[in-house]
Amino acid sequence: GAVVSQHPSRVICKSGTSVKIECRSLDFQATTMFWYRQFPKQSLMLMATSNEGSKATYEQGVEKDKFLINHASLTLSTLTVTSAHPEDSSFYICSAQPSGPYEQYFGPGTRLTVT
Amino acid sequence: GENVEQHPSTLSVQEGDSAVIKCTYSDSASNYFPWYKQELGKRPQLIIDIRSNVGEKKDQRIAVTLNKTAKHFSLHITETQPEDSAVYFCAASRSQTGANNLFFGTGTRLTVIP
Repeated sequence: GAVVSQHPSRVICKSGTSVKIECRSLDFQATTMFWYRQFPKQSLMLMATSNEGSKATYEQGVEKDKFLINHASLTLSTLTVTSAHPEDSSFYICSAQPSGPYEQYFGPGTRLTVT
Repeated sequence: GENVEQHPSTLSVQEGDSAVIKCTYSDSASNYFPWYKQELGKRPQLIIDIRSNVGEKKDQRIAVTLNKTAKHFSLHITETQPEDSAVYFCAASRSQTGANNLFFGTGTRLTVIP
C-alpha cells in the first residue's frame, strides 16, 4: 500500500516553454501533497505544500508564479514549471500524506532538463 | 524555521561492521523524526521513524535513538551489508493535525565495502 506515482519520469524541454508534472496517490487519499526539488548529490528542498481544494503554501524563495501547483483532487497534484530556464533543471519529487499527521510517501521523481 | 544538520556526509564501513549517522535539529517543537534511504536516481524510502514520546526504536538491523533534551537523533545500522549502500537522509517535523512539513538533513552517503 501507500504507492505514489509521478509522470513523466523524465522530460526535456526548451527554454521558455512550460512543463507539467503529475503526482498521484494510487491507493490512498492524500489530503496533503508536497513538492521537493533535489539537485545532484544534495538534499531534498521543500518547495511547497498543497492541500486539496486550496492554494498551495510556498516556501521562502520559491516563486509561486513560476511553479504553479494545483491539487485538484485527493489523489492528484500537479506542478507546472512555467517559462522554464536551464537553471530549473533538477530532480522534482512529490510526496503524499495520508490522513494522520505523520508518514509521507514519495513518488519516484521527475528529472527535468531544460535546454 | 527548522534546521537539521547531519553528519557525516560520507561514511565507509566494512561489511558486517556497524554504521552510525547523527542529526541535530533546532526546533524544540519538532516531534517526528523519520529516516529515509535513497538509492541513486530513485525515490526516498522510509526505513524507520521515531516520535518524540519514545527514546529508541528498533527494527531488525536498524535502530534510531532520540535525545529530546540535546535535540539530536541517530540512526544505527548493525551487521551492514553491501545493499545498505545508499544515501541516508534524516528529517524532522512538527507534526500536527494537517500538513506535516519535513525538513531534511544534508544526507550521508554510506558505502559498505564487501
